[in-house]
Amino acid sequence: GAGVSQTPSNKVTEKGKYVELRCDPISGHTALYWYRQSLGQGPEFLIYFQGTGAADDSGLPNDRFFAVRPEGSVSTLKIQRTERGDSAVYLCASSNPPGDTQYFGPGTRLTVL
Amino acid sequence: QKEVEQNSGPLSVPEGAIASLNCTYSDRVSQSFFWYRQYSGKSPELIMSIYSNGDKEDGRFTAQLNKASQYVSLLIRDSQPSDSATYLCAVISGGSNYKLTFGKGTLLTVNP
Repeated sequence: GAGVSQTPSNKVTEKGKYVELRCDPISGHTALYWYRQSLGQGPEFLIYFQGTGAADDSGLPNDRFFAVRPEGSVSTLKIQRTERGDSAVYLCASSNPPGDTQYFGPGTRLTVL
Repeated sequence: QKEVEQNSGPLSVPEGAIASLNCTYSDRVSQSFFWYRQYSGKSPELIMSIYSNGDKEDGRFTAQLNKASQYVSLLIRDSQPSDSATYLCAVISGGSNYKLTFGKGTLLTVNP
């Protein structure tokens, strides 16, 4: 079946603006993860959903970041009052069951000017 | 803080040679270990997973795990120019929420 999809592929915004990044996991995958990757670094964990609930949001850097998964499939990562330091590639992954191989989407490259 | 360490490289090998990539991790109760390949501008792609001590082979790739030494490695035999990429080591710690902790990656270049 189809892999993980993410939209948009690129997002350019101005400092202080609000952005939403969308992830559509592999059909049937109950676990969904968000990671952030800066240049020259490995991906860093942000948040993990099991079904509709956030099982672990310990990686969210501050309260400007929030994510939802209301129906247990598509997830949206929301960033308020964006800062230049938020510029990175935001990666989404899904797995089933949790702990099994995580399959990554193509990512959203966010640039905050 | 749970850490995963990799030599950042770059590692350069001639075509046909064996490439050896190494990774150490700090959390003794880590349970699951993964190697991902990432081409420039692309997302990580799983190469190998390994869960128990010893070797696991898949085609030209062999993953080796030594939990006592907290060490995991990836060997690529008969390296091809298409293997040129960044290789990311990732670990799931025991009792965790299944999040992956990644190393910074090792850049591998295979020269024709």
